[in-house]
Amino acid sequence: SAVISQKPSRDICQRGTSLTIQCQVDSQVTMMFWYRQQPGQSLTLIATANQGSEATYESGFVIDKFPISRPNLTFSTLTVSNMSPEDSSIYLCSVDAGTDAYEQYFGPGTRLTVT
Amino acid sequence: GENVEQHPSTLSVQEGDSAVIKCTYSDSASNYFPWYKQELGKGPQLIIDIRSNVGEKKDQRIAVTLNKTAKHFSLHITETQPEDSAVYFCAASITGNQFYFGTGTSLTVIP
Repeated sequence: SAVISQKPSRDICQRGTSLTIQCQVDSQVTMMFWYRQQPGQSLTLIATANQGSEATYESGFVIDKFPISRPNLTFSTLTVSNMSPEDSSIYLCSVDAGTDAYEQYFGPGTRLTVT
Repeated sequence: GENVEQHPSTLSVQEGDSAVIKCTYSDSASNYFPWYKQELGKGPQLIIDIRSNVGEKKDQRIAVTLNKTAKHFSLHITETQPEDSAVYFCAASITGNQFYFGTGTSLTVIP
């Protein structure tokens, strides 16, 4: 399985500001995914990021609010823009890194609190 | 889209007993069903998965069963240990890209 790191691990931000979350994986992967996990809730897919193409966003998530970059096969960023308290969540990246392409492995998450 | 329901939301068992968590899905096209364990402050960890062409899969104390006709799948943990205490999530996927997650089961193993 892949080793995935995220930065920052947690942050407290003021409303109206933006935060960029980094996801680094120790091997080249085709697909990277960004999820949101609200407190005590399940995981919801925000978008899928392939290297060299625009991210694909799920219903309810838009590029202006959650711009994503995927500059190479081991790195991606998610920006949470113009934050409000409702954006307080854990943000997780995952990668499609198994020999079986269906497997996904998750990073440790970034715990974001917006005040 | 796919809808995954998971039960129970909380489960307490005595150490050594078995634990069973059940999930149902709505889309018969779903063909991949992973289970994740999430410990406090950590990301979800894949513990076992099953494809739709298989009815059961085991890995030591963990097993998953799938009933395609009834559209439900279950996680079975035998001989539970305190370190099994965590939140468990099931998921279903059609394409292997988009995962639809259940709402989670908080398992507590009482020593």
